[in-house]
Amino acid sequence: AQSVTQLGSHVSVSEGALVLLRCNYSSSVPPYLFWYVQYPNQGLQLLLKYTSAATLVKGINGFEAEFKKSETSFHLTKPSAHMSDAAEYFCAVSGRIKAAGNKLTFGGGTRVLVKP
Amino acid sequence: DGGITQSPKYLFRKEGQNVTLSCEQNLNHDAMYWYRQDPGQGLRLIYYSQIVNDFQKGDIAEGYSVSREKKESFPLTVTSAQKNPTAFYLCATVDRTNYGYTFGSGTRLTVV
Repeated sequence: AQSVTQLGSHVSVSEGALVLLRCNYSSSVPPYLFWYVQYPNQGLQLLLKYTSAATLVKGINGFEAEFKKSETSFHLTKPSAHMSDAAEYFCAVSGRIKAAGNKLTFGGGTRVLVKP
Repeated sequence: DGGITQSPKYLFRKEGQNVTLSCEQNLNHDAMYWYRQDPGQGLRLIYYSQIVNDFQKGDIAEGYSVSREKKESFPLTVTSAQKNPTAFYLCATVDRTNYGYTFGSGTRLTVV
């Protein structure tokens, strides 16, 4: 079984400050890892994904995440927050085995507030 | 453009009624998924289908039913047995060549 824990259901940052969203996972085999962003009443948009290539993954809108196997972590960062980054962010893990359905398991989400 | 269409965007249901949420894709993906989203709980898997005429229960399948008669379509029925159906429902597919998941824009169901 796999699971995802996002530390902090709400994060408040000042515009221009570092954004750091924490994600830890549990999986019996090396997983694929994802970060998604969701704006109110919309679907999920992919920010970035780790599928066993480089451990430092760069995504859209200036976001990046680093896969650390020893810490079972996949934290999301952005050097300088913008007002448009205010949204909810989800970390997710997927198994690699097609027969198991490639199901995504999500963390509880972190809502980001950006202060001017 | 290829994508997923969910309809309706908003749906109101009276207690005791069954309602069906539509999910249509033109991405030619085999696998499709239904997730339920509640505030503070992330997304939870209801049902998924890996191929036409086959589907599997997810973590919270009780009170829901699905069908997969066509590759493009994966409708979700919320039955009267679902005790707390008010939620945001998201449909998704996956491209297994690159693990690219695509999500629809969701249906917000409210029991009145």
